[in-house]
Amino acid sequence: QKEVEQDPGPLSVPEGAIVSLNCTYSNSAFQYFMWYRQYSRKGPELLMYTYSSGNKEDGRFTAQVDKSSKYISLFIRDSQPSDSATYLCAMSEQGGSEKLVFGKGTKLTVNP
Amino acid sequence: NAGVMQNPRHLVRRRGQEARLRCSPMKGHSHVYWYRQLPEEGLKFMVYLQKENIIDESGMPKERFSAEFPKEGPSILRIQQVVRGDSAAYFCASSPGVSTNEKLFFGSGTQLSVL
Repeated sequence: QKEVEQDPGPLSVPEGAIVSLNCTYSNSAFQYFMWYRQYSRKGPELLMYTYSSGNKEDGRFTAQVDKSSKYISLFIRDSQPSDSATYLCAMSEQGGSEKLVFGKGTKLTVNP
Repeated sequence: NAGVMQNPRHLVRRRGQEARLRCSPMKGHSHVYWYRQLPEEGLKFMVYLQKENIIDESGMPKERFSAEFPKEGPSILRIQQVVRGDSAAYFCASSPGVSTNEKLFFGSGTQLSVL
């Protein structure tokens, strides 16, 4: 079993839809959870950063962490064509900048 | 403020040659991380360096791969005697330090192709 599982998609939605992206993990020592967005031929860009369980909201983005189920989610409201990218979940045991374990990424396309 | 700069963007090598990938961290950042992204795979941690020190190289293959971050100049990821399986995108990231809220800033990567 991989440490972090993420459905690679691809996922295609119409503009304005609510998008739900998810990851599961097996290592109960993970405490820090992140979502990165990666455009084609670019490096990942940090979107959301969460410590332990709970919700965090930033504009149209909401991150949820359920440590009891080892499950994290990213919701995108009112999705835009500019949201089309690959979304990577990442997690670490210690501080946010140390060795991160990434999911494979989910490729999202938002159609105008 | 320039971001993390990686060069070259694309590197083509024949089997058995050496590949050198360079990374200049963001200004003021003293911590550098290298990750590798194989086709159809997620980003995999390789090595974490501070100036002149390797802090964690647990993700580095045991042979042919080495990394350095000298006092002056960019961080270098060196792959000797490349093989086709080394073909991947190599990303460098930097941060100002290690704390629970430090962000990692990634470069645009070097795409290595081994013929």
